[in-house]
Amino acid sequence: EAGVTQFPSHSVIEKGQTVTLRCDPISGHDNLYWYRRVMGKEIKFLLHFVKESKQDESGMPNNRFLAERTGGTYSTLKVQPAELEDSGVYFCASSEHLGLPGAEQFFGPGTRLTVL
Amino acid sequence: GNSVTQMEGPVTLSEEAFLTINCTYTATGYPSLFWYVQYPGEGLQLLLKATKADDKGSNKGFEATYRKETTSFHLEKGSVQVSDSAVYFCALIRGMENTDKLIFGTGTRLQVFP
Repeated sequence: EAGVTQFPSHSVIEKGQTVTLRCDPISGHDNLYWYRRVMGKEIKFLLHFVKESKQDESGMPNNRFLAERTGGTYSTLKVQPAELEDSGVYFCASSEHLGLPGAEQFFGPGTRLTVL
Repeated sequence: GNSVTQMEGPVTLSEEAFLTINCTYTATGYPSLFWYVQYPGEGLQLLLKATKADDKGSNKGFEATYRKETTSFHLEKGSVQVSDSAVYFCALIRGMENTDKLIFGTGTRLQVFP
C-alpha cells in the first residue's frame, strides 16, 4: 500500500512568487492534515480536512495560504505571495479515523520550501 | 493552552548507551500522547503511543509511560544503536474536539556514534 506522498520534495522561490504544494493521502483516508515546521522549531498544525470539507483551519497563518481538497482525494496548499517567513518544511498526514484515541496519522516525507 | 515541552538536543551518545529524552505536556482533559521519529531523508513515523494514564507504549526497544501526576511522557531505550540516530518528536492530541490535530514539541536530535 502506498504511503502519503508529497510533491515537490524541495522548492526554492523568490519572495512574492507563488508556490503550490501537493499531497496525496493514503487511499481511503478521509482525514488529511497539513503541518509546518519552521527552522528547528516545533511542528505546527495548519489545517484538517475531512473529505473535501475543512474541519479545522485554525492554524492557517494568514490569507496568503489557501488549501483545497477537491473531490476529497489529494490536497493542495498554495502560498501566494510567498514571504521569507514561509520557509520551512510542510508535512502532510492522513488518517482513517476521527476521534478514536490514539489513532495514527501517517505522514508524508514533507516539502522543503525556501523563500529567498 | 495545550503544549508540549521536550529537552533540547542534540543528544550525543555512544552505541549501547542508555537513552532518556524528556517530554512534559500541558493539556486539559485526557490527551493521547505520542512519540514520532524522523530518520534522515524520511517523513515522520509513529514510534509509540499511550492513550491513558499509566499506559506504557513500546516499540523497537523504546518505551514511554504516560504519567498524569507529573504530566510527562519520557522516552527511554536501554541500549541505543547507530541506526537510532534521528529526530524524535513528542506530541499530544487533546481528544476533546472534532479535530485530531497533533501538538508537537520542538524535536530532539539524537546522534549515536559507534
